Amino acid sequence: DTEVTQTPKHLVMGMTNKKSLKCEQHMGHRAMYWYKQKAKKPPELMFVYSYEKLSINESVPSRFSPECPNSSLLNLHLHALQPEDSALYLCASSQPRDRGYEQYFGPGTRLTVT
Amino acid sequence: GENVEQHPSTLSVQEGDSAVIKCTYSDSASNYFPWYKQELGKGPQLIIDIRSNVGEKKDQRIAVTLNKTAKHFSLHITETQPEDSAVYFCAASIKKNSGGYQKVTFGIGTKLQVIP
Repeated sequence: DTEVTQTPKHLVMGMTNKKSLKCEQHMGHRAMYWYKQKAKKPPELMFVYSYEKLSINESVPSRFSPECPNSSLLNLHLHALQPEDSALYLCASSQPRDRGYEQYFGPGTRLTVT
Repeated sequence: GENVEQHPSTLSVQEGDSAVIKCTYSDSASNYFPWYKQELGKGPQLIIDIRSNVGEKKDQRIAVTLNKTAKHFSLHITETQPEDSAVYFCAASIKKNSGGYQKVTFGIGTKLQVIP
């Protein structure tokens, strides 16, 4: 099973709202990623967690707050977003590099900020 | 950092014809090259990958070639079908990090349309 699940599929929020995106995998992967994808563009890396520790923050604004409660779960907390933050948010996971290279993506959450 | 260039940005082929997408990378330390297919409204799906110790890899109608000297890699789809229509992303990754994760650099994507 190479499945990464994400909830919700769609989210509409106002600029003053607080919401969270959720990602889950049960492949035993120890690295998990958040990407942002705008229309007709490639995925853009936001955060990487490795062994439940934040390893990369690609200078993402603090209105995006990641959390990795355990090795299977990854959350992205959203607060005071701007309309330009509307995008497809993708979660991915991978095994440690010495056990494989493949990175698997979830279906994404389509976020609209009004 | 790594830079991946991909072309063409759009490609239309007749059903049954072949499609070729080409990518170049800049960092000679890159050693893993995945290809992703993204259908409308879905996340990217890994369809094939190649590692730098291999020159060619094939999986049914899909093949990928790698020229390390020229820093080129390509995706070949034969006998295209309408369901092959999607956006295809090439990517490159370097193994050297010790953090247990892969930092992947994507190309800009190729929108493939297979005309029935």
